[in-house]
Amino acid sequence: GDSVTQMEGPVTLSEEAFLTINCTYTATGYPSLFWYVQYPGEGLQLLLKATKADDKGSNKGFEATYRKETTSFHLEKGSVQVSDSAVYFCALRGSSGGSNYKLTFGKGTLLTVNP
Amino acid sequence: DAGVIQSPRHEVTEMGQEVTLRCKPISGHDYLFWYRQTMMRGLELLIYFNNNVPIDDSGMPEDRFSAKMPNASFSTLKIQPSEPRDSAVYFCASSQGQGYTGELFFGEGSRLTVL
Repeated sequence: GDSVTQMEGPVTLSEEAFLTINCTYTATGYPSLFWYVQYPGEGLQLLLKATKADDKGSNKGFEATYRKETTSFHLEKGSVQVSDSAVYFCALRGSSGGSNYKLTFGKGTLLTVNP
Repeated sequence: DAGVIQSPRHEVTEMGQEVTLRCKPISGHDYLFWYRQTMMRGLELLIYFNNNVPIDDSGMPEDRFSAKMPNASFSTLKIQPSEPRDSAVYFCASSQGQGYTGELFFGEGSRLTVL
């Protein structure tokens, strides 16, 4: 079945540092890929997405490129802020049949940014 | 617009008691999802509904769990009898089927502690 593997946290960075959170996936066909963010005490919210190979999703300074050849969707940001402290989830939506409305999530990566 | 509304936000109960979690999806959304979040297992899809009909309940852990959606604006997740291993944060999410992009809208979650 579909699965998502993302780097284990926690990740601790200083403000203005470069961020990479790795995500790889296993799926048949051509899934859509997502990054969701969960701020403390809140539900998840969509950060960015990419629906086909070589697409780049971007939002709030975060970027991720859908790489089919490496089955990856790594999240990057050039300069993190304290307000980026949150848990980040990589997710995929399957492209076939009954899995089309389900999202499969990675386990999440806790990011803490210190001033 | 109101988002997904869940209640209660926190529930502490004793083993063996019945627990009912409630969810009001965003108006007009025809898909509703129940997820469970734990440190060990991350986010797990328990069940999802389309137009109030359960589509996939393969993630429901066992017969102690049941979910209903009697109308388009209300769903419940019931655990009877509850056990300490059910302690988790339970999220409800909704989405539109028409033009579905994969974006789920999450509630703030119900944190369940079973003693």
